[in-house]
Amino acid sequence: KAGVTQTPRYLIKTRGQQVTLSCSPISGHRSVSWYQQTPGQGLQFLFEYFSETQRNKGNFPGRFSGRQFSNSRSEMNVSTLELGDSALYLCASSLDWEIGELFFGEGSRLTVL
Amino acid sequence: SQQGEEDPQALSIQEGENATMNCSYKTSINNLQWYRQNSGRGLVHLILIRSNEREKHSGRLRVTLDTSKKSSSLLITASRAADTASYFCATFGGGVGKSTFGDGTTLTVKP
Repeated sequence: KAGVTQTPRYLIKTRGQQVTLSCSPISGHRSVSWYQQTPGQGLQFLFEYFSETQRNKGNFPGRFSGRQFSNSRSEMNVSTLELGDSALYLCASSLDWEIGELFFGEGSRLTVL
Repeated sequence: SQQGEEDPQALSIQEGENATMNCSYKTSINNLQWYRQNSGRGLVHLILIRSNEREKHSGRLRVTLDTSKKSSSLLITASRAADTASYFCATFGGGVGKSTFGDGTTLTVKP
């Protein structure tokens, strides 16, 4: 079956702009989680959605938000971009986030200038 | 700091040798998982070990879990150049309410 699809794969923005990233999970997976990966901070958990509800949230400012649609597709939004938001944003889907294995997409690489 | 911390940060070996990576964590967990990441790509799930398990095998992979020491190890036997990647441990559950990944071990396998 098809894997996790993230779009766009690469994007460049300038400080102050906002960005929306999209994630289509594996069919049948209702849990979608998001991670930020940077060389300095490693892999940081952003949030997890299950059946359109945010169940878990990491320690990121309110500029980072997300949502999940009824078809389990998820989007995350970062407003008022800062240089430090430059990162690889990874989405993962699973049957049950806290129990099962995560299936990751290839990520969206965001560069903020 | 991260819940999971890998050791060593970097490991370089020859093809055919075994590679061992260690992971320590701080709180109770439901399960611990190991993932591999090739440069700049998404992570690939390798193996999951539950808190009531002590050892698990999958092909050339062997994972151990010591909940009393809050540590896990990943052994890759008979390594290949294709095993060159970063390896992360991740802890789940245990009331933390979020997944936490370690900083990773970068493995280089020389042909």
